[in-house]
Amino acid sequence: AQKVTQAQTEISVVEKEDVTLDCVYETRDTTYYLFWYKQPPSGELVFLIRRNSFDEQNEISGRYSWNFQKSTSSFNFTITASQVVDSAVYFCALITGSSNTGKLIFGQGTTLQVKP
Amino acid sequence: EPEVTQTPSHQVTQMGQEVILRCVPISNHLYFYWYRQILGQKVEFLVSFYNNEISEKSEIFDDQFSVERPDGSNFTLKIRSTKLEDSAMYFCASRVGGFQPQHFGDGTRLSIL
Repeated sequence: AQKVTQAQTEISVVEKEDVTLDCVYETRDTTYYLFWYKQPPSGELVFLIRRNSFDEQNEISGRYSWNFQKSTSSFNFTITASQVVDSAVYFCALITGSSNTGKLIFGQGTTLQVKP
Repeated sequence: EPEVTQTPSHQVTQMGQEVILRCVPISNHLYFYWYRQILGQKVEFLVSFYNNEISEKSEIFDDQFSVERPDGSNFTLKIRSTKLEDSAMYFCASRVGGFQPQHFGDGTRLSIL
């Protein structure tokens, strides 16, 4: 079965704090792709990052970084020095290599509130 | 930067009425999708469309739903006889191919009264 679990329903931090959003995935496929999307209060879904199962290198983009660990089936997302504009729902998602259609399987999402 | 556009942004419909949600995917994309997000819940896959036919559909996508690509640019989702539980945000997405990221429209909020 393919599944994405985001155990943290809501996180609240004060501006400038670092915060990590957890994502654990399940798949039997050896080839798969992991994604993070951001959903700000305005409601749209914004693509943040894609990672394939053969590339375990961590990635940093400005204040954002991602830690992919196949050994624990996790793809965690860290925001350094959080800002109020980071307040949003963040979704982790999976596409399995056996999918002919490339449909995304989403986690439940983590609501991040950054307070000034 | 090209984007997926959806219309209308908000649709209010009486239960039992038909509704058509419209999407214009990114022009060079080949794969098209509809997803649904009930308020406060996760985003759920409804249907994928490639080469002018449905390639996969979820259990949610029953006989009340249909999709169409009537011309080279539009991609529509029709719900024939809406129910209260169809109230949700509906997202259209497209991707160019391979396992490239899907790009989402801003969504249509469907409210069934």
